Amino acid sequence: GAGVSQSPSNKVTEKGKDVELRCDPISGHTALYWYRQSLGQGLEFLIYFQGNSAPDKSGLPSDRFSAERTGGSVSTLTIQRTQQEDSAVYLCASSLAGVEETQYFGPGTRLLVL
Amino acid sequence: QKEVEQNSGPLSVPEGAIASLNCTYSDRGSQSFFWYRQYSGKSPELIMFIYSNGDKEDGRFTAQLNKASQYVSLLIRDSQPSDSATYLCAVTLYGQNFVFGPGTRLSVLP
Repeated sequence: GAGVSQSPSNKVTEKGKDVELRCDPISGHTALYWYRQSLGQGLEFLIYFQGNSAPDKSGLPSDRFSAERTGGSVSTLTIQRTQQEDSAVYLCASSLAGVEETQYFGPGTRLLVL
Repeated sequence: QKEVEQNSGPLSVPEGAIASLNCTYSDRGSQSFFWYRQYSGKSPELIMFIYSNGDKEDGRFTAQLNKASQYVSLLIRDSQPSDSATYLCAVTLYGQNFVFGPGTRLSVLP
């Protein structure tokens, strides 16, 4: 595909359930980012993967959040025991190596926790 | 604590005018600076990045960086209604954590 893809596009879940969000970056992009955007708010950095380096997890809000990136490509963000405050749009972006490179964003996953 | 601040707006300008969007940041070690545009309900898209003091121009857009004042701005010349969006400023430190500002809503009035 030409761009970053994310799935599902929408997810409704009940409080306490676990959810998995998937991101397929642009082929060849070694850097992958996860962000969260609550309604009417700015982007909140969650985690950053760069090649085979240890990920920067400094933005993860709690230990209920985790992410992995298999084979340097697809990434999965997992939220365990979801809470209502986890409701947001979760955005994934990828870029070529180097932070001066353009980040290309996926369409996002809209998560609603009831 | 790294912080990036922007006026939330809305900033309203008439069509054809210059729109000036401002951003300040708290971390003096910040290295790279980005401006993203986000239309309502859409994902952000990069407009420009800058990492040297001074001006950088790309079409109708000019980014201005002043590291001494910890200030970065985006000028949009000949503003068009299609420029109406939220503009996000982002800052990075040594390629690590991206910090985004809350965004400024721009409205260009026909």
